Amino acid sequence: QVQLKESGPGLVKPSETLSLTCTVSGFSLTSYHVSWVRQPPGKGLEWMGVIWGDGSTAYNSALKSRLSISRDTSKSQVFLKMSSLKTEDTATYYCARDTTGIPTGFAYWGQGTLVTVSS
Amino acid sequence: DIQMTQSPASLSASLGETVTIECLASEDIYSNLAWYQQKPGKSPQLLIYYANSLNDGVPSRFSGSGSGTQYSLKINSLQSEDVSIYFCQQNYDSPRTFGGGTKLELK
Repeated sequence: QVQLKESGPGLVKPSETLSLTCTVSGFSLTSYHVSWVRQPPGKGLEWMGVIWGDGSTAYNSALKSRLSISRDTSKSQVFLKMSSLKTEDTATYYCARDTTGIPTGFAYWGQGTLVTVSS
Repeated sequence: DIQMTQSPASLSASLGETVTIECLASEDIYSNLAWYQQKPGKSPQLLIYYANSLNDGVPSRFSGSGSGTQYSLKINSLQSEDVSIYFCQQNYDSPRTFGGGTKLELK
């Protein structure tokens, strides 16, 4: 079955770079796109960006200058890197996949990983 | 960016009651609207896609409707397990923006 799982450091210092990994199973990264979504504690959801099946990417313009999404298809892994972290980047970070190959809604989510930005 | 405005921000209802949550898009999103349910400490779960299509395994008491810029999620015969936060999301254009959420509680 389709599964996604995020991993990464729970604590990052301000101004440093965050690196997260989303390991997927049950589908191929060359056939389905994967998005990153984050949620600050007690707040709403923010779509961050996507890596498409062909390897192209698209980012939320609010984060574009700091964000990079890449993948390793041989390991079924998607990577998120975000630079110049601020305390307001503290959030639970999710990777998610749409039901089909077109954007309709995220039917599959990882369990999320909480990242705290603090010195 | 397309702005999604959800109302109300919070809602209190009794068991068995019918509840409606609204979502207003800042421009026409041509029914590319999804609804999610999120319980504390859990990942969001997809309820509805394309405004009115029920995701697999979602109880039939949930339904979605709307078109253009105005959409709604209806929960018939409210159950205790429906206490959650509900989010709408537009999937018409990038970035795929979410509404601010509606917290549903039991009266």
